[in-house]
Amino acid sequence: GENVEQHPSTLSVQEGDSAVIKCTYSDSASNYFPWYKQELGKGPQLIIDIRSNVGEKKDQRIAVTLNKTAKHFSLHITETQPEDSAVYFCAASMADYGQNFVFGPGTRLSVLP
Amino acid sequence: DGGITQSPKYLFRKEGQNVTLSCEQNLNHDAMYWYRQDPGQGLRLIYYSQIVNDFQKGDIAEGYSVSREKKESFPLTVTSAQKNPTAFYLCASRREVSNQPQHFGDGTRLSIL
Repeated sequence: GENVEQHPSTLSVQEGDSAVIKCTYSDSASNYFPWYKQELGKGPQLIIDIRSNVGEKKDQRIAVTLNKTAKHFSLHITETQPEDSAVYFCAASMADYGQNFVFGPGTRLSVLP
Repeated sequence: DGGITQSPKYLFRKEGQNVTLSCEQNLNHDAMYWYRQDPGQGLRLIYYSQIVNDFQKGDIAEGYSVSREKKESFPLTVTSAQKNPTAFYLCASRREVSNQPQHFGDGTRLSIL
């Protein structure tokens, strides 16, 4: 089955710097990759996703890149702000009916003022 | 507003007791999921359901049971057979269409008395 690894497990950056979180997946059939942000005591919230026919997607300060050959995808946050501090999860799934998602173990991002 | 409602937010279980966690969604989603989240760890799938009156075991189903009598509702029962139930439980739902993300509730934190 699919296995998703995520690095780093913790990341501290200064406010205004960029943060990058990387995930690797094992099943080449996976073709849909969402990213979630989880704040303390809350459920994960979708922040961006990418499909395998796209190499990069941006939404304001957030971008995701996908390298299908190497089977990895990354989350990039620019101009980080204290409110970006949270746990971030990546996930991988196959785009068919009944697809289940395999989640990475998460990255705790701390943005220092 | 459409969304997923989990209740209660906090729940305490005595030894030998079964407890039921509620999950309701008004997003008209076909599929619903239950995950367990332990401190510092990712999401592990307990059960999922793609249609009413049907559900499948996930990776850690032992000691748990579910029902899906209505499209909107997917309650999870933590039975006395689950010897380590202390965790944060997350319910999710999803449209059964390719490349659609899961949407999460805000979780129930279960503790042992």
